Amino acid sequence: AQTVTQSQPEMSVQEAETVTLSCTYDTSESDYYLFWYKQPPSRQMILVIRQEAYKQQNATENRFSVNFQKAAKSFSLKISDSQLGDAAMYFCAYRPPNTSGTYKYIFGTGTRLKVLA
Amino acid sequence: DTGVSQNPRHKITKRGQNVTFRCDPISEHNRLYWYRQTLGQGPEFLTYFQNEAQLEKSRLLSDRFSAERPKGSFSTLEIQRTEQGDSAMYLCASSKSGGGSSYEQYFGPGTRLTVT
Repeated sequence: AQTVTQSQPEMSVQEAETVTLSCTYDTSESDYYLFWYKQPPSRQMILVIRQEAYKQQNATENRFSVNFQKAAKSFSLKISDSQLGDAAMYFCAYRPPNTSGTYKYIFGTGTRLKVLA
Repeated sequence: DTGVSQNPRHKITKRGQNVTFRCDPISEHNRLYWYRQTLGQGPEFLTYFQNEAQLEKSRLLSDRFSAERPKGSFSTLEIQRTEQGDSAMYLCASSKSGGGSSYEQYFGPGTRLTVT
């Protein structure tokens, strides 16, 4: 069964600094999708960044980038120039390939990011 | 595009009562998902619809739970004979089918259920 592991329950970063959140996953598939979602306190989850497993190039979205290591099954999120508004729970999620017949996400347990002024 | 909406946002009920939640997906999205999130955990998949057809159900979805999407638009999730263990945030998400970014799910704000 596919699993997603986030081993850092909580991280802190100084404003304007860089922080990396870790995520590892387990799958026997070769083609799949990975995501990072942000869940601010009492607010809905929003997509931060996505990565298709068939793409070797790491995805970037403004201050957010990933380090996708397919062989190691690792998918870390780097946040550069951290801002107070980045404080939230961050969830790593895995979605199997379309050929699997399922479209559900499998989430990790999350990392709470605190941004210190 | 008004996003995914869920009602109610909060529900407090007594053990043994029935509750029903509603989800309105993004209008052009034909896939709709329900997840449950307990404190300190990531969301766990419950069930999924494509149009009006319920195509997948998790083992978490006991026979006290039922979900419908009668016209392929909004969906309801009903929990009968609620138990304290049902206390959680119930999240709804929607997505398109097809190529491109169809694999991205957009989440609603959730319904927080408290069973006393």
